Amino acid sequence: SYVLAQPFSVSVAPGQTATITCVGNDIESKSVHWYQQKPGQAPVVVVYRDSDRPPGIPERLSGSNSGNTATLTISRVEVGDEADYFCQVWDLHSDHVFGGGTKLTVL
Amino acid sequence: EVQLVESGGGLAQPGGSLRLSCAASGFTFDNCAMHWVRQVPGKGLEWVSGISWDSLSVGYADSLKGRFTVSRDNTENSLYLHMNSLRVEDTAFYFCAKDTQRYYDGSGYFDYWGQGILVTVSS
Repeated sequence: SYVLAQPFSVSVAPGQTATITCVGNDIESKSVHWYQQKPGQAPVVVVYRDSDRPPGIPERLSGSNSGNTATLTISRVEVGDEADYFCQVWDLHSDHVFGGGTKLTVL
Repeated sequence: EVQLVESGGGLAQPGGSLRLSCAASGFTFDNCAMHWVRQVPGKGLEWVSGISWDSLSVGYADSLKGRFTVSRDNTENSLYLHMNSLRVEDTAFYFCAKDTQRYYDGSGYFDYWGQGILVTVSS
């Protein structure tokens, strides 16, 4: 089965840049989507198809995908960015797969 | 405004059954694939099942081993998940999610989610 590995947690000070990785075998051949989930709420897509942003998502959030690693980058981090972030892909043999999630803490 | 509202959750005994429903509004329901995703409280997301716009194509997580059945009624704008032979490890929040494409298996993503409903399996 296809596996996506994310760091359990990332901590960053306000105004700094947070980088959240998602590692999977040859992930660059897949479309990667990123979801933000705040406590008690449903997930919200923040980046889709590697690097596109839905309406209303600030440009501070950006995505990239190369080799075995997809990355969600949050620039000029704000307290409101504190949340869990999940990457997701579709794989021919495993269907939809989520990474384990990364808890972003804003110090 | 897109809305997805789950219902039917609650307490079930091990070995029992439940049927979850998801009422959709605010978009053309019969033009989109739909999914169920679950989350054990405090844990990660797990895709459970998906169904194409026309119900002709469905998929399930391998871990379910045929215990769950997804269906939809496009005349009622509703999505369902029939859960049988429930286990303690099925305890989770269950989210209904809309796909951006007509088929559940592909590069579509989940652009809208319901608020989730809790299923607790316990004796």
